[in-house]
Amino acid sequence: GAVVSQHPSWVICKSGTSVKIECRSLDFQATTMFWYRQFPKQSLMLMATSNEGSKATYEQGVEKDKFLINHASLTLSTLTVTSAHPEDSSFYICSARVLDPPAGDTQYFGPGTRLTVL
Amino acid sequence: QKEVEQDPGPLSVPEGAIVSLNCTYSNSAFQYFMWYRQYSRKGPELLMYTYSSGNKEDGRFTAQVDKSSKYISLFIRDSQPSDSATYLCAMSAQQAGTALIFGKGTTLSVSS
Repeated sequence: GAVVSQHPSWVICKSGTSVKIECRSLDFQATTMFWYRQFPKQSLMLMATSNEGSKATYEQGVEKDKFLINHASLTLSTLTVTSAHPEDSSFYICSARVLDPPAGDTQYFGPGTRLTVL
Repeated sequence: QKEVEQDPGPLSVPEGAIVSLNCTYSNSAFQYFMWYRQYSRKGPELLMYTYSSGNKEDGRFTAQVDKSSKYISLFIRDSQPSDSATYLCAMSAQQAGTALIFGKGTTLSVSS
């Protein structure tokens, strides 16, 4: 099946620093990737949709200048949390759109990145 | 009313039990329905994918969609301790190039 990786799997940083999270589709090309955020015991909340070669589309309430998304190739999307603050601490998960069977048209998720901002 | 409602549980069953997980939704435009399994501190794993109404079976898992009732279900037969996880339903009105709408997830615990 389709495999999506994320790096790093966890990161701890100081308040005010920037953190970059990578999302890679390992065995397929993904024209569309998504970034989600998940707080403890909560569901996934979509942050933005990332299309290769174009600007990301952000969901309402998500600051695009704070959460920079780049989808420079068909296998890589990055999320940079700029000037991170403790309230940005969360579990960040990416997904990639897959068009091949047997799943049809759906999304496969990466393993997630746990960000802790001190 | 939220677009997708899912009882968070927790749901505890003994090993070997049949588990029924459900979601209701309000948007009649939803046509693509998915079930994901998420272990603690891991990304969601796609279990089942269904387009429109009907049933789909894969091993011990059966997904059902009843669009007339706006109700979807996931059945797990012969449940195992390894099935202990959070199960998320997800759906969309168009193909998955658009965002999925997720339920909150149901936490399942299967005891041996």
